[in-house]
Amino acid sequence: NAGVTQTPKFRVLKTGQSMTLLCAQDMNHEYMYWYRQDPGMGLRLIHYSVGEGTTAKGEVPDGYNVSRLKKQNFLLGLESAAPSQTSVYFCASSSEHNAGRSGELFFGEGSRLTVL
Amino acid sequence: GENVEQHPSTLSVQEGDSAVIKCTYSDSASNYFPWYKQELGKGPQLIIDIRSNVGEKKDQRIAVTLNKTAKHFSLHITETQPEDSAVYFCAASSIQGAQKLVFGQGTRLTINP
Repeated sequence: NAGVTQTPKFRVLKTGQSMTLLCAQDMNHEYMYWYRQDPGMGLRLIHYSVGEGTTAKGEVPDGYNVSRLKKQNFLLGLESAAPSQTSVYFCASSSEHNAGRSGELFFGEGSRLTVL
Repeated sequence: GENVEQHPSTLSVQEGDSAVIKCTYSDSASNYFPWYKQELGKGPQLIIDIRSNVGEKKDQRIAVTLNKTAKHFSLHITETQPEDSAVYFCAASSIQGAQKLVFGQGTRLTINP
């Protein structure tokens, strides 16, 4: 049982290049999320998905696109990378959050992206 | 939208002493307040949470208190141990399908032996 797996763990890009981060979860969770973590700013939600084939914007969606073609996978894409997108990216998944369940977020170990 | 402020940004305590981290939130519609612990090189992990219909919750050495009127909540760790050294994040959201958490800035807690 791997939980949430992110690939790659490290990547260096040049400004203007594109790349995709892959997140996979094996807990059959409906909900998946992409966060970015920057020093002194906590974690900020980029995009999220409430189920296969759906995506929605979070706090800081500009410059990113996402896709959820399969329930277990959530892809984060950068079409034209900028230095401001240098960050550590975390994927997370959860079950439904309601009065009876906490909807705890299960995070991957992060992907460190540097844009030069 | 919601805004969560967390203090202090760094905290150093002697092993065995208590540690307190405080957070404030702005949106009165928020009713769920989790705390996550992040160890070096790892993703955050839930350690305790509280809902707005409860004022306090304990789990062994950790406890969380909530003051809805003042819109603030706190994490208390007693009898601190070296393995408590980590970055702690508070967060807030409303209880509904997807967990759109708004996180605080984080507190780096160091336990000195």
